[in-house]
Order: sequence, then C-alpha cells, then structure tokens
Amino acid sequence: KAGVTQTPRYLIKTRGQQVTLSCSPISGHRSVSWYQQTPGQGLQFLFEYFSETQRNKGNFPGRFSGRQFSNSRSEMNVSTLELGDSALYLCASSLGSGLATTNEKLFFGSGTQLSVL
Amino acid sequence: QKEVEQNSGPLSVPEGAIASLNCTYSDRVSQSFFWYRQYSGKSPELIMSIYSNGDKEDGRFTAQLNKASQYVSLLIRDSQPSDSATYLCAVKRPGGSYIPTFGRGTSLIVHP
Repeated sequence: KAGVTQTPRYLIKTRGQQVTLSCSPISGHRSVSWYQQTPGQGLQFLFEYFSETQRNKGNFPGRFSGRQFSNSRSEMNVSTLELGDSALYLCASSLGSGLATTNEKLFFGSGTQLSVL
Repeated sequence: QKEVEQNSGPLSVPEGAIASLNCTYSDRVSQSFFWYRQYSGKSPELIMSIYSNGDKEDGRFTAQLNKASQYVSLLIRDSQPSDSATYLCAVKRPGGSYIPTFGRGTSLIVHP
C-alpha cells in the first residue's frame, strides 16, 4: 500500500509570491491534515479536510488555505509569502471517521521544505 | 499555557540504558495519547498509542499513562544509537475532532 505522497519535496520562493503544495493520502483515507513545522514552534496544525470539507482549522492567517478533491487528494496554498513562512510543511492522512481508535492514527508524508527568500 | 508540554532536551543516554521521555497535558478530558518518532530530516512516524491508565508495552518501548496526573511517558529499554531522534507526544480529546495536539518534542541522543 502506497504511503502519503507530498510534492514537491523542495521549493524556493521569494516574498510576495504564492505557492501550492500537494498531498495524496493513503488509499482509503478520507482525512488529510496539514502542519507547519519549524525548529522554534514545533508542529503547528493548519487545517484538516474530510470528504472535501474543511473540518478543523488552526490559528493561521487567511493567507493559508486548502482544499480537498473527491479522490481525497489535497492541496494547500499560501499566498503573499513572507520570510516567516519558511518551514517544513507536512501533510498527514487518516481514516478520520468511525469509533475504532485505529482510525485516529496519522500517517505523515515526507513533507515539502519551503524556503522563502 | 501550552496544551502539551515536553522537555525539549536533548536527553542524552548511553547505549543500552533506559531512556525516559515525559509529557504532560492540560486538557483533563483527553482520551487518546500517541508517541511519534521523527528522525532528523524525516517525517514523524507513529510508534505507540495508549488509551487507558497503566503501561502498554511493544518490544523495547513502553508507554505509561496516568490520567489523574495528566502525564504520559515513553520508556525505551536497551537504547540504541538508532533510537536517536525527536519524540513527539500527541494528545487528543474525545469527540468529533480526529486531530491531536502535538508537543514540541524531546530530542533523544543515544551515544555508543
């Protein structure tokens, strides 16, 4: 079974640009969540999508947005990039529904390392 | 107040020793507890989950949960250099959200 796939692996952008990151979850997983990871702040939750709907949202500005497609693939967009947006962006997939505790387990992709110059 | 607290470390232990990683959480109704391991430059990987008070063992790993003290720990017996990584504690409330809250992680170094 293929794991969570994130593309691209690395990105270099300049301030003011926008960027789109892609995440393909494990087959059968309907929940995709996005995280920003920096050395200073750790793993910060951005948002979660389930069945094409945003189900949870973290405390990030509106410049950060996302969407999920009918095949559960998800994209994250950051507009008007700032230097502070430089980070590792991770997505994770899970079954995301039902009562079984196994449905809560997150499986992470390799991440997209974004550098904003 | 940070919801999930971990000592950032680094925690340095000799090979073969027991490494003890600790995590406290503030939300008393938390129900699910996870430990993720993250090697440098890699993504987090789930290694343990625990849901009820007491100990849960899996190979060299033991997770311990004390809900009254709002404390969860991870013990690694016979530590190996390959265990050197950052260990992230994650805690989840019961209910509709499937998203846990992560601590900032503890860096573990196992030296030969």
